[in-house]
Amino acid sequence: DSGVTQTPKHLITATGQRVTLRCSPRSGDLSVYWYQQSLDQGLQFLIQYYNGEERAKGNILERFSAQQFPDLHSELNLSSLELGDSALYFCASSVEYWDYGYTFGSGTRLTVV
Amino acid sequence: TQLLEQSPQFLSIQEGENLTVYCNSSSVFSSLQWYRQEPGEGPVLLVTVVTGGEVKKLKRLTFQFGDARKDSSLHITAAQPGDTGLYLCAGPKLGDYKLSFGAGTTVTVRA
Repeated sequence: DSGVTQTPKHLITATGQRVTLRCSPRSGDLSVYWYQQSLDQGLQFLIQYYNGEERAKGNILERFSAQQFPDLHSELNLSSLELGDSALYFCASSVEYWDYGYTFGSGTRLTVV
Repeated sequence: TQLLEQSPQFLSIQEGENLTVYCNSSSVFSSLQWYRQEPGEGPVLLVTVVTGGEVKKLKRLTFQFGDARKDSSLHITAAQPGDTGLYLCAGPKLGDYKLSFGAGTTVTVRA
């Protein structure tokens, strides 16, 4: 157990739907990162939050949004889902907004049918 | 185009053999991290190298950061089946703090 908790572990949904992925960071970590991993793209950085505020944005689609709450947990919202959004979504956390290593959760496997 | 290029993409060796995985870029990185990922799990941090020319050893694993901080390598001595996994290098470019990942090297160690 890495200390980073992601729910749900698996999600199957239809095209056009909206889903919410949840992440609880490791105790004491203020920064949360979201990554998407697909077979052809590898691990792609989506977005980072630090202590409730957006810190950096990567290749995140406009259909996707995220936030970090006062208790530091984070949610990634994916809407108008397409088949190509099927992937593993990982959350990671670290103490600072820059850091020498991230702790990853076990991921949420999203399948869009 | 990946910011970090890893080679080889796949590596299959016999138990007891040595292997080296390379991570290269045209950009300078403030640090480089190595992760190992097993199927269905998130990447697990193995090591972070920060100083150009730095060498770190973790039991049978040796990590090196290039002098110019543009490349890194991971060497495994006397590989064991437990070393099987996807090895990923990652780092923030100098002046940035977003972590970019290489595409990974899939290592299979046969018993």
